[in-house]
Amino acid sequence: QVQLQESGPGLVKPSETLSLTCTVSGGSIGDYYWSWIRQPPGKGLEWIGYFYHNDITAYNPSLNSRVAIPVDTSQNQFSLILRSVTAADSAVYFCARSRIGDPPALHVWGQGIMISVSS
Amino acid sequence: SSELTQPPSVSASPGQTARITCSGDALSRHFTYWYQQKPGRAPMLVIFKDTERPSGIPERFSGSSSGTTVTLTISGVQAEDEADYYCHSTDLSGAWVFGGGTKLTVL
Repeated sequence: QVQLQESGPGLVKPSETLSLTCTVSGGSIGDYYWSWIRQPPGKGLEWIGYFYHNDITAYNPSLNSRVAIPVDTSQNQFSLILRSVTAADSAVYFCARSRIGDPPALHVWGQGIMISVSS
Repeated sequence: SSELTQPPSVSASPGQTARITCSGDALSRHFTYWYQQKPGRAPMLVIFKDTERPSGIPERFSGSSSGTTVTLTISGVQAEDEADYYCHSTDLSGAWVFGGGTKLTVL
């Protein structure tokens, strides 16, 4: 059974770049959509972006200029790069995999990682 | 509009039916997905493509759609169903969007 695990720094300073990694175990990246979603403390979910086959990507328009989702299929990992972070980027960040053939169906989730932006 | 609107809270007694709505301009054109999230946990998909239930999700969870409003129905609510519920769909620009979430309280 596929499992996802987020990893990253935990604490990032304002204006710096946040880099998170999602490691996929029990399966390969293959023909699935892979997404990042975040949730500020006490608030709702926010879609960040997704990739598919390393050549199709889409990002939340509100983050588009600051975000990228690179993939390393050899390591069975994909990442989230978020530039110029502010306190508003403090959140639990989740990676997720969609059901095959149904991109918005986020069927498998990582446990999430809390990221705080503070000096 | 890129917004999906959900009621902030819904309550139901055990055994009753709980209905959570989600409204948005693009919902008549795109499927909606529903997630259950319990405190400190990752969300879990409970309904996909408006009405389909993933394997392992109890039959008491069902979804329906009418125009620009979709509804998650939990028939025979149980204490373990107390959670936050989020709808998820695609807006008119093609971007994915989540509703603000609804807290279901089991009385």
